[in-house]
Amino acid sequence: SYVLTQPPSVAVAPGQTATIPCGGDDLGMKGVHWYQQRPGQAPLLVISYNGDRPSGIPDRLSGSISGNTATLTISRVESGDEADYYCQVWDYKSDLVVFGGGTKVTVL
Amino acid sequence: EVKLVESGGRSVQPGGSLRLSCEASGFRFSDSAMHWVRQAPGKGLEFVAGISGNGGSTYESKAVKGRFIISRDNSQNTLYLQLGSLTTDDMAVYYCARDGGSGNYGENYFDSWGQGTLVTVSS
Repeated sequence: SYVLTQPPSVAVAPGQTATIPCGGDDLGMKGVHWYQQRPGQAPLLVISYNGDRPSGIPDRLSGSISGNTATLTISRVESGDEADYYCQVWDYKSDLVVFGGGTKVTVL
Repeated sequence: EVKLVESGGRSVQPGGSLRLSCEASGFRFSDSAMHWVRQAPGKGLEFVAGISGNGGSTYESKAVKGRFIISRDNSQNTLYLQLGSLTTDDMAVYYCARDGGSGNYGENYFDSWGQGTLVTVSS
C-alpha cells in the first residue's frame, strides 16, 4: 500500500522558518494536501494541491513539491503554529486516501 | 458558514455495533462528497470511508471494509457511519469531513471538519 513519510517532530525558534517534508513514490503525480491540528482541535486544511492556500490561511504557510518530496514551510513561526501537521494524497492506484504519519511542530 | 456536527459516539463492548451521525449545514449537502476520518488516542489521522454526493458510490479503507457502512440522507443533510464487529483497534475520535472538490465524486481531500465524536471499545 502507498506510504507517505514525515519526520515525527520538528523544533523551531520563534521568528524562524520551519520546513516539514513529506515523501512518497511518484508524489509529483499526485496532489498533496496539508492539515494543521492544534491540541484538542479538529484538523484544518492549510494547503491544497501542493501549494494553494484556502481563504483565511496566512501567507506565512506555503507548500511546494519537488520530485518525490512535498514540503510545508512555515515562515516567521509563532507560538500559535505549534501543532501536528499531516500531508495527504489520493492514491489512484489503490483508490484510497492516504495520510502521512504527522509531524509535531514545537516552538522553542 | 459550513458546520458539521457529529454525534452517536459512546462506549461499546467488543463485537458490538454503533451508528454515528453527522448533521451538515451552511452548504448544499447533496453537492458534496463526504467522508469519515478517525484518530485513535495519541495517533495520527486515518481515512475510514467516503461517499459521493448522490450516495451512489461509496468506498472504505481495508481496515473497515465489510464491517463499516457509510451512507447519507440528503433530505436530512445527514451523513452516517454504521460500525459493526467493533474491536479495540476501532477506538478513536471519528471526524466527519466535507470533500474539498467539486462534483459528485469530489476530489478526496477535506476542506471542512466537524469536532469529532469519541468511540470507546471496552469490555
